[in-house]
Amino acid sequence: DVQLVESGGGLVQPGGSLRLSCAASRFSFGSFAMNWVRQSPGKGLEWVSTISGSGGSTSYADSVRGRFTVSRDNSKNTLYLQLNSLRAEDTAVYYCANGWFDYWGQGTLVTVSS
Amino acid sequence: EIVLTQSPATLSLSPGERATLSCRASQSLSSYLAWYQQRPGQPPRLLIYDASNRATGIPARFSGSGSGTDFTLTISRLEPEDFAVYYCQQRSNWPPYTFGQGTKLEIK
Repeated sequence: DVQLVESGGGLVQPGGSLRLSCAASRFSFGSFAMNWVRQSPGKGLEWVSTISGSGGSTSYADSVRGRFTVSRDNSKNTLYLQLNSLRAEDTAVYYCANGWFDYWGQGTLVTVSS
Repeated sequence: EIVLTQSPATLSLSPGERATLSCRASQSLSSYLAWYQQRPGQPPRLLIYDASNRATGIPARFSGSGSGTDFTLTISRLEPEDFAVYYCQQRSNWPPYTFGQGTKLEIK
């Protein structure tokens, strides 16, 4: 079965940076787009970013554009999300999901606080 | 940006009853709407895509209907594990993909 495992979350001060990773296995990673979705504590789901299978096309939510960067390494079956200039409102569980959102990781918690 | 409005916010029912959840879009989605279930501490689980197609492994008691701007998720007979939060998501016009605010299905 498809497996997606996120890592890299943690506590960071406002203005700081983190890099999240999503390791994929048991599917043709490089053939499919991938997504990041986040969920603030006790809140709903917010789409963050999508990257095409080749990595040549990316899309971002307005709330993160210019601060977050999505990338992928198809040779390592890994998806990344670079989070810069972090704000308190970026505190959330960050999930990776495949292109059709039918497979999700368990998520990694990012907490932005001083 | 397409806005999705789910109703009701909370639905209180008993096991064995029928649940009907609604999702209304601010503009036509054709049939490009998905439904997810999220249990506490778990990631979302895709239930329905393209308004009425069950995802792999989803029980037949879950069904989706609708097109355009009005969509419905129906759970024919509630099982104890069905009490969770349900989200709709539009896939018609992105970016951005947008989600509804969720409907909490709780045990009465």
